[in-house]
Amino acid sequence: DTGVSQNPRHKITKRGQNVTFRCDPISEHNRLYWYRQTLGQGPEFLTYFQNEAQLEKSRLLSDRFSAERPKGSFSTLEIQRTEQGDSAMYLCASSSFSSGFFYNEQFFGPGTRLTVL
Amino acid sequence: TQLLEQSPQFLSIQEGENLTVYCNSSSVFSSLQWYRQEPGEGPVLLVTVVTGGEVKKLKRLTFQFGDARKDSSLHITAAQPGDTGLYLCAGASGYSTLTFGKGTMLLVSP
Repeated sequence: DTGVSQNPRHKITKRGQNVTFRCDPISEHNRLYWYRQTLGQGPEFLTYFQNEAQLEKSRLLSDRFSAERPKGSFSTLEIQRTEQGDSAMYLCASSSFSSGFFYNEQFFGPGTRLTVL
Repeated sequence: TQLLEQSPQFLSIQEGENLTVYCNSSSVFSSLQWYRQEPGEGPVLLVTVVTGGEVKKLKRLTFQFGDARKDSSLHITAAQPGDTGLYLCAGASGYSTLTFGKGTMLLVSP
């Protein structure tokens, strides 16, 4: 399977703990996106990378959240001092960007479901 | 802030019925995507529309992009239980991120 993969699929943690999620994009894709989705809502943008550079961060991304893509391949999203309000599905997507035509077609992974107790 | 409003929020129909869901915005988008999402899974891309007035067909699904590129519709003919899911529209402006609507939850009963 050459799609986007995310690990773990589910994470249950206690309030105040740190958690880290991993995303492996489609291998030839140079852009990687993180979204958060809560029940009854569409995905909300958090941040995105082009290769290893983090190009944009949403206001939703508080200072407890940090994302990295050190070698321009996989990415990690860390949440420090988790709060109950962080409970959500965290989605990763990737796309292939080049100058010229770019329709921003993003391909999503299965997501990581975070539950903060 | 660009907003996408989807309607209806929830739709429950019988197998074989036709339906249309809508995606509206006051903003112009360079492209618009439709996704389908099943519970506990990530969204799956169905189609991308780019040109105002464009119509694309995917088997029993017909997608239309408004002339002004501010709205879109998805029509399903003879719905089947396998069509059940959350249908999301997402608009792109430039080369940055996607803005998603809240989705239309479709339930097709046998």
